[in-house]
This record gives sequence, C-alpha cells and structure tokens, in this order.
Amino acid sequence: DTAVSQTPKYLVTQMGNDKSIKCEQNLGHDTMYWYKQDSKKFLKIMFSYNNKELIINETVPNRFSPKSPDKAHLNLHINSLELGDSAVYFCASSLGARETQYFGPGTRLLVL
Amino acid sequence: DQQVKQNSPSLSVQEGRISILNCDYTNSMFDYFLWYKKYPAEGPTFLISISSIKDKNEDGRFTVFLNKSAKHLSLHIVPSQPGDSAVYFCAAKEWDDKIIFGKGTRLHILP
Repeated sequence: DTAVSQTPKYLVTQMGNDKSIKCEQNLGHDTMYWYKQDSKKFLKIMFSYNNKELIINETVPNRFSPKSPDKAHLNLHINSLELGDSAVYFCASSLGARETQYFGPGTRLLVL
Repeated sequence: DQQVKQNSPSLSVQEGRISILNCDYTNSMFDYFLWYKKYPAEGPTFLISISSIKDKNEDGRFTVFLNKSAKHLSLHIVPSQPGDSAVYFCAAKEWDDKIIFGKGTRLHILP
C-alpha cells in the first residue's frame, strides 16, 4: 500500500532525449510537488500543484513540464535532456500547502 | 545563498548516547521548521516539526529545540539506536511558501 510512488526508479538515457517520470499518490492529498536533489545533495523544489493547478514554479528551464491529469497524479516531462539534469527527482504530496509532505522513493536519472 | 544550513556533513554517535543534530537559518520570516529522515534509496520521511511560537517539541525519543534569537534549531535523539543511522534534513518555511531544505547530516550510530 505505497503512499507516494514514482516510476521508473532508475532512468539512464542519452543527451537530447525526451523522458517522463510518473508520480501517483493514494493518500487523497490535493497538493503535489516535484523536487530535485543534485550532486551537492541539495533538495530543491521545482514545482507544486494544488488541485491540478500550478502554484509554485521555481526557476526551472522550460524543458521541464509538469502535467497533472488529476489530483492523484503529477508527472514530469523533460525535453532535450542535458548532462546537468542528472539527479534524483522526488515527488511528494500533502493535504494542503501547510501540511506535512510525504515523499516518493525518488527517480535516479543519469544522462550520458 | 543557503537559507538553511547544516554545517556538519556527518556525525558519529555511540548507540545509547544522545545524538544532537544542528541547523542554522538566515531568514527571519521562517515560521515553521521540520526535520526529515532519509534512508538510502528511499525518499525523505517526516520526523518532527516545530512552529516558531514554540521553543521545544517532543515526540518519543526525538526532541526539537528552537532558538529564534540565534536562528538555530537542533534535533536531539535519546537514546540513539542503530535504526537511527540515516541522513537528517533540516527544513524551514514561511507561511504558505515552499519548504527550504538544508544539505543534510549523515548520522552513524556506532555499536
């Protein structure tokens, strides 16, 4: 009974490719997030959606596009992958923007 | 510019003793502070939090202390257990704003 799940867990791809990471939560939360943990181990927010509406959009390149088909899903699509995109991407969800965030297991992306 | 700083990348503590993890912040507008724990190959899990109107919050073996004047908070784990070995992230947020995470401190509990 996984609360926040992400697929795939590992993703190895070539520069220039387009890839997607999927996130699903079964907690009934209305707010979902994407975080990036880079090689320096900083965990930084990228996007936040509340009830399918974008509420936080940090200074992330346009190549990154989140898509929320419904409240339980927030997918991350990345176009024209670059070496610097290699990182661990975490999805999270919460019941409202002020509430505790629950994280998925992460997707380890390696761009070659 | 790091708004949340965890200056100790790692910490080793004997099993049964007290573990103290420290965190400093620079933004005086932060009003809510959290600690997350992370095991390898897993996502961070929420551990304990504290509002800026309090200076202490306790939950079992875990206590968080907040010193607003020093812009400092700490997480105490007593007694430390082998399962506490993990990376601990300090985090802070302003009202209705995003969470800012520190870089984390890796805690090793020694047998």
